[in-house]
Amino acid sequence: DAKTTQPPSMDCAEGRAANLPCNHSTISGNEYVYWYRQIHSQGPQYIIHGLKNNETNEMASLIITEDRKSSTLILPHATLRDTAVYYCIVRVASYAGNMLTFGGGTRLMVKP
Amino acid sequence: DVKVTQSSRYLVKRTGEKVFLECVQDMDHENMFWYRQDPGLGLRLIYFSYDVKMKEKGDIPEGYSVSREKKERFSLILESASTNQTSMYLCASSPLENTQYFGPGTRLTVL
Repeated sequence: DAKTTQPPSMDCAEGRAANLPCNHSTISGNEYVYWYRQIHSQGPQYIIHGLKNNETNEMASLIITEDRKSSTLILPHATLRDTAVYYCIVRVASYAGNMLTFGGGTRLMVKP
Repeated sequence: DVKVTQSSRYLVKRTGEKVFLECVQDMDHENMFWYRQDPGLGLRLIYFSYDVKMKEKGDIPEGYSVSREKKERFSLILESASTNQTSMYLCASSPLENTQYFGPGTRLTVL
């Protein structure tokens, strides 16, 4: 699986958009970009994933650059409950052994 | 909504005890996983199962065993708990495609 690079921490004002970047310059053509987050002392929560096209769901939007070497997770109106560590993962969708590897992630602090 | 539940949020056991951690998912997922998460070490896969009665070792299976007798239930067993198994244990499940859904975690302390 390709490695990812994320800033260790970011701040965001409540109600504003939070834009979390991720670099994955060695991504392969069949690797997806996944985003999870983990609120303190809880299990990781799936947010969104994509292959090439931008994706949006009720939680967030995922913007993937045309060369697929980087992506941005957007929380359009951050709330205090969005304070968490956000993990960007790239991996192949496979049948067996499709475990996840979380790197350091970005600690997002949403401030009032 | 996908629901993955774990039998306990917090557990305290003594060295040498046999420990059972249970995980149940209600989405008829084929794949289930047990991870442990430790500060500075990230998420590490202990075992996974892709079908009933099937299991595969992950990165750190030593000291652990698993059981999957029914599709919805995946148990992690610490045969003889040791202090270095103090950790947060996370269960996850996924359908054949790749999205994994996690339970709330069990924080195990071995004294």
